[in-house]
Amino acid sequence: QSALTQPPSASGSPGRSVTISCTGTSSDVGGSNFVSWYQQHPDKAPRLIIYEVTKRPSGVPDRFSGSKSGKTASLTVSGLLADDEAYYYCSSYAGNNHVVLFGGGTQLTVL
Amino acid sequence: QLQLQESGPGVVKPSETLSLTCSVFGVSIGSTVYYWGWVRQPPGQGPQWIGSLLYSGKTYYNPSLKSRLTISLERSKNQFSLRLSSVTAADTAVYFCARGPTYYSGSGSYTKYFFDYWGQGRLVTVSS
Repeated sequence: QSALTQPPSASGSPGRSVTISCTGTSSDVGGSNFVSWYQQHPDKAPRLIIYEVTKRPSGVPDRFSGSKSGKTASLTVSGLLADDEAYYYCSSYAGNNHVVLFGGGTQLTVL
Repeated sequence: QLQLQESGPGVVKPSETLSLTCSVFGVSIGSTVYYWGWVRQPPGQGPQWIGSLLYSGKTYYNPSLKSRLTISLERSKNQFSLRLSSVTAADTAVYFCARGPTYYSGSGSYTKYFFDYWGQGRLVTVSS
């Protein structure tokens, strides 16, 4: 299985919205509801912000939202704040052998 | 309050075995509603799933690491461990232990393929 494909970078101004894509195959992203997103600040552990495509863990603001269409999942961050500047990684069940895939990551810059 | 803490050597020689332990505080490692896992992140790269472990001891491994990998529970210590043999420089990474939820289907318990709590990570460098 290959890693999921994300754009290496994204940016937006404070208060605006930005959407990050995550493209897989019909076996992983396209065939699974176990798509998740993580936020990672430098030298920190990843933090779960979206699971099962659209759900937010307790404590994650509703400025973060997830969706999926076909083989592509998306993370939208609305009302950008300076603290949103971080790396974002998508993840998905690979569709077989209980394997978990991650994307290569997108560096979000708040201009 | 849940806490996961990785421990083990920070430097391992090539061809030797990397061994890490994750100590779990605040929840029993035998709980049926959670599973446990290891994820690593090479410098400057995205995370890579290493493997997952159910409360029953059943394991799921990354196929690319399976031949060198052992993940196991240590119930009496509320810990789980990782052993990766025959390491090379390509195994240099920050290693994270993590927890995720399970769900029950008619044929048993399964992982939900995401991790909701993570340890702080342990940098392991493979070098002579």
